[in-house]
Amino acid sequence: AQKVTQAQTEISVVEKEDVTLDCVYETRDTTYYLFWYKQPPSGELVFLIRRNSFDEQNEISGRYSWNFQKSTSSFNFTITASQVVDSAVYFCALSDSSGGSYIPTFGRGTSLIVHP
Amino acid sequence: DAGVTQSPTHLIKTRGQQVTLRCSPKSGHDTVSWYQQALGQGPQFIFQYYEEEERQRGNFPDRFSGHQFPNYSSELNVNALLLGDSALYLCASSSGSAGGAYGYTFGSGTRLTVV
Repeated sequence: AQKVTQAQTEISVVEKEDVTLDCVYETRDTTYYLFWYKQPPSGELVFLIRRNSFDEQNEISGRYSWNFQKSTSSFNFTITASQVVDSAVYFCALSDSSGGSYIPTFGRGTSLIVHP
Repeated sequence: DAGVTQSPTHLIKTRGQQVTLRCSPKSGHDTVSWYQQALGQGPQFIFQYYEEEERQRGNFPDRFSGHQFPNYSSELNVNALLLGDSALYLCASSSGSAGGAYGYTFGSGTRLTVV
């Protein structure tokens, strides 16, 4: 069975600080996909990034970067020079072939509060 | 290009009543998945509809049912509402039966309050 753990319930930082959100996953599949979504107060989950299990190359996109390590089953997300607009709940999700349909399983989310 | 549209945005129902929530997927998407998100929790998968059939179902009772129409829009029905059904109900669309591997497009949700 697939499982996603986000141990950090809430993180509070001051604007311009760097912040890393942790995600640990469990799956028996060798082919799987990992995601990060952002949920602002409006409620809509906004897709940020997708990684497949065969692509461990880490990526930087503007102020966002991701660190995927299969050896530790982790897929961490870092925001550099945080801004107030980054305040939201961030969800890590995992899709594997359980049931054959790659239905994403979400973690419980990490609430990020960026103070001015 | 419209994304996923859900209606209504907010709803208050009395325990024991029935409710219907509606979802129109993103243009070009043919698969609709429904999630329940309780306060402070991550989204929990309810079921997925593809080709007008329920393809996958999460750990939810039969009080939760759904439908997909030929235009790919979908409804979520909940019967005999319980206080514990109070949550944000999210609709997500994707393309194909394995669209979850590529990420979903989510709507803003319907906030259901059962009193």
